[in-house]
Amino acid sequence: GAGVSQSPSNKVTEKGKDVELRCDPISGHTALYWYRQSLGQGLEFLIYFQGNSAPDKSGLPSDRFSAERTGGSVSTLTIQRTQQEDSAVYLCASSLGSRTDQETQYFGPGTRLLVL
Amino acid sequence: GENVEQHPSTLSVQEGDSAVIKCTYSDSASNYFPWYKQELGKRPQLIIDIRSNVGEKKDQRIAVTLNKTAKHFSLHITETQPEDSAVYFCAATYSTLTFGKGTMLLVSP
Repeated sequence: GAGVSQSPSNKVTEKGKDVELRCDPISGHTALYWYRQSLGQGLEFLIYFQGNSAPDKSGLPSDRFSAERTGGSVSTLTIQRTQQEDSAVYLCASSLGSRTDQETQYFGPGTRLLVL
Repeated sequence: GENVEQHPSTLSVQEGDSAVIKCTYSDSASNYFPWYKQELGKRPQLIIDIRSNVGEKKDQRIAVTLNKTAKHFSLHITETQPEDSAVYFCAATYSTLTFGKGTMLLVSP
């Protein structure tokens, strides 16, 4: 079946602009995660959605970052007033169950964001 | 929160040699330890995982060992091949998944 998809694959924006990144999880997966990967670095957790529960926003680096998940499926990560340090690959992952089930996370291809 | 340290940051081996990547974690409550492989420009993909009630797990040329007392776990790749060249990430979780910074493995023919 289809895997996790993300759009756009690449995004170039100017400093100060807002950007929206989209993630389509695997159908039937109730858990959705956003990560940020800077060049040569590991995966930094940003936010986690599980079903209809309140999201875990503990990894968001500032209040310029926000995310929504509509209808328990598609998610949008929004970065307001982008800064050059926001340049990174933003990865989305989904898993079948909740984190306590320790389910395997399947990653999307990522969105490469470049802030000029 | 959880802190995961991964070593080495880069590893070069000859084809056919073994490769070992080590990770330590800080939260003794962590109970799930996956390993991901990320080829250049591609998404991370799970290659093997281990849960806290198991000390070792093997899948063909790949094995993972876990020492809960010492809070470290390792990835072992035997008979390495050029297609094993990639960045490998370890991770540990009790609540949210915390990743190590990755190991770039280069296998030379």
